[in-house]
Amino acid sequence: EDKVVQSPLSLVVHEGDTVTLNCSYEVTNFRSLLWYKQEKKAPTFLFMLTSSGIEKKSGRLSSILDKKELFSILNITATQTGDSAVYLCAVERGFGNEKLTFGTGTRLTIIP
Amino acid sequence: NAGVTQTPKFQVLKTGQSMTLQCAQDMNHEYMSWYRQDPGMGLRLIHYSVGAGITDQGEVPNGYNVSRSTTEDFPLRLLSAAPSQTSVYFCASRRVDTQPQHFGDGTRLSIL
Repeated sequence: EDKVVQSPLSLVVHEGDTVTLNCSYEVTNFRSLLWYKQEKKAPTFLFMLTSSGIEKKSGRLSSILDKKELFSILNITATQTGDSAVYLCAVERGFGNEKLTFGTGTRLTIIP
Repeated sequence: NAGVTQTPKFQVLKTGQSMTLQCAQDMNHEYMSWYRQDPGMGLRLIHYSVGAGITDQGEVPNGYNVSRSTTEDFPLRLLSAAPSQTSVYFCASRRVDTQPQHFGDGTRLSIL
C-alpha cells in the first residue's frame, strides 16, 4: 500500500522566519511527487518533482526530491502571513495506474 | 475560464437520503476524480475516470456511485447517506498521462 508521511503536522512561526516541511513516501512504481497549498478551498498546485537532486523554485518557495532516501522537502524563506495554509504532499504512481496518494498535510501558521 | 466547478458548495442531509454532487470541467480533460477530505486523514480517492464511459474505484469507494457520460461531467452519487460520509468532497481533473490535477472548490456535506 502506498504511503505518504508529512512532518511536522503543524508549525507556528513568526513572519520573516524560514521553514522546512518534510514529506517521506513509499510507493510502487514512483512517477512524481507533487506539493499543493490549501487555504480555505481547493488545493492549488505548487511543484511537481520527478528527478532526484533538481531543485524547483518559485519566488520564496523551493522544493527538492531525494529518490534514494524517498523524501522531499519544501522550503519557504522570509515567510509572510499569506503563506499560512495547509501544505499537502502527494505521490503519483505510474505504469498505467496513475493515482495520487496524499499525506495528511502540514498546517503552517505565520504570526505577524 | 471556469476550470473545475462543483455544486452545491454546502449540503445537509438526513441519514438514508440520496443526493448527487455535481462536477463539471471546461478544460477538455480526460481524467476526472473524486476525493474526500477528513480531519487527520488527508485526501482519499473515491472514484476516478480516464474518459467518457470508463470509471474505476479508488481507495474508499463504498457507498458512492459514479458515471461518466460526457467528457465534461463526473457526478458523484450517494444512494443512502450515512453519518460516516460527512466530509468535504473535492473533484479534480487533468489530462491523461500528465500532472498536476486541478481541483474544484469543494462541497461540504453533513449527514445528520
